[in-house]
Amino acid sequence: AQTVTQSQPEMSVQEAETVTLSCTYDTSESNYYLFWYKQPPSRQMILVIRQEAYKQQNATENRFSVNFQKAAKSFSLKISDSQLGDTAMYFCAIMKYTSGTYKYIFGTGTRLKVLA
Amino acid sequence: NAGVTQTPKFQVLKTGQSMTLQCAQDMNHNSMYWYRQDPGMGLRLIYYSASEGTTDKGEVPNGYNVSRLNKREFSLRLESAAPSQTSVYFCASSPSGAGGHNTQYFGPGTRLTVL
Repeated sequence: AQTVTQSQPEMSVQEAETVTLSCTYDTSESNYYLFWYKQPPSRQMILVIRQEAYKQQNATENRFSVNFQKAAKSFSLKISDSQLGDTAMYFCAIMKYTSGTYKYIFGTGTRLKVLA
Repeated sequence: NAGVTQTPKFQVLKTGQSMTLQCAQDMNHNSMYWYRQDPGMGLRLIYYSASEGTTDKGEVPNGYNVSRLNKREFSLRLESAAPSQTSVYFCASSPSGAGGHNTQYFGPGTRLTVL
């Protein structure tokens, strides 16, 4: 069975500082995809960044980057130069291919608050 | 492109009432999904449809039915609502298919309260 664990229910960071959200996962598959989604108070789920497991290079997207450690099954999200608009719930997810489609398993989320 | 749309945005039901949540996507995606989101539990998959004409159960299908009406539309029905079904419901779609990018794109959600 696949699981995704986010061990930090809540975090806070000062504006312009850097924060890292942790995520660990468990899978028996050799190839898979990992995602971070952001959910602001509007409830909309917004893709932040995606990582393909067969790629060794860590994905980056502007101020967002990941530290992907495949052997340790760890996939942390680093937010640099934090902004007030980064305040949101952040969900880590792993995707697997089964029964003709791709399905996600989500973690329970980390609530991030950026302080002015 | 509107992306993934859901109706209604909010709904209040009494125990035992039925209702259908509607979802449509205009991205020509093959796969569509229904999730529920409860506090402290992340998103859990209710049902999914890998392609037009097929549907399969996810992690928490009890009390729900789905219909993949065509490639664009995927509805979720509660036949006899229960308070345990109070939740926020998200519809999502993805291109699917081997080799393609498989990111899921989400609708804005429906907040359902069952009294």
